[in-house]
Amino acid sequence: DAGITQSPRHKVTETGTPVTLRCHQTENHRYMYWYRQDPGHGLRLIHYSYGVKDTDKGEVSDGYSVSRSKTEDFLLTLESATSSQTSVYFCAIRPDRGDGYTFGSGTRLTVV
Amino acid sequence: QKEVEQNSGPLSVPEGAIASLNCTYSDRVSQSFFWYRQYSGKSPELIMSIYSNGDKEDGRFTAQLNKASQYVSLLIRDSQPSDSATYLCAVNPTNTGNQFYFGTGTSLTVIP
Repeated sequence: DAGITQSPRHKVTETGTPVTLRCHQTENHRYMYWYRQDPGHGLRLIHYSYGVKDTDKGEVSDGYSVSRSKTEDFLLTLESATSSQTSVYFCAIRPDRGDGYTFGSGTRLTVV
Repeated sequence: QKEVEQNSGPLSVPEGAIASLNCTYSDRVSQSFFWYRQYSGKSPELIMSIYSNGDKEDGRFTAQLNKASQYVSLLIRDSQPSDSATYLCAVNPTNTGNQFYFGTGTSLTVIP
């Protein structure tokens, strides 16, 4: 793989609990992204980062927060998980110049 | 109106045939276009990028871009059963590292 890992791969959590997903890269890319993928909706951007401590919201950011204290790590936190946040979450990285994203393997999150 | 539209399929073609996948987008200033392949339960994998009008070939894959018509397509020649997957079209409106917009994908089945 291209130096991007996500953890955990699977998680089941209860409604109302906080959850943190981790994305780790070894490519030293500035841009990192969190997407969720749901049937009928495709991939939708939650948050992205363009550098350490530099983040911005995507189209479905409500209920999520992110942090990036180091170039290699981008954390996604569900502040109080709801059943509507059951989804597959993908982290992606992109070099500064050119080409497309490289995706991590994904995290399948189930909120019960 | 969605940013990126794809026919969800399913599209079925016999082995050895040409598979044609289509995508339209709404943002006229879009500069970068990408095709991803996603096998069931896996993460999206970049297979083609195209930035200029015309055709771009890579092995059995050809991407075609027509910015005036806001249309991008992917042709797969000599389709193989291993090409059976969902194909995602992605558009980067500004090519600045900001978010991509993804279509919901077209499911392709290649019948042996």
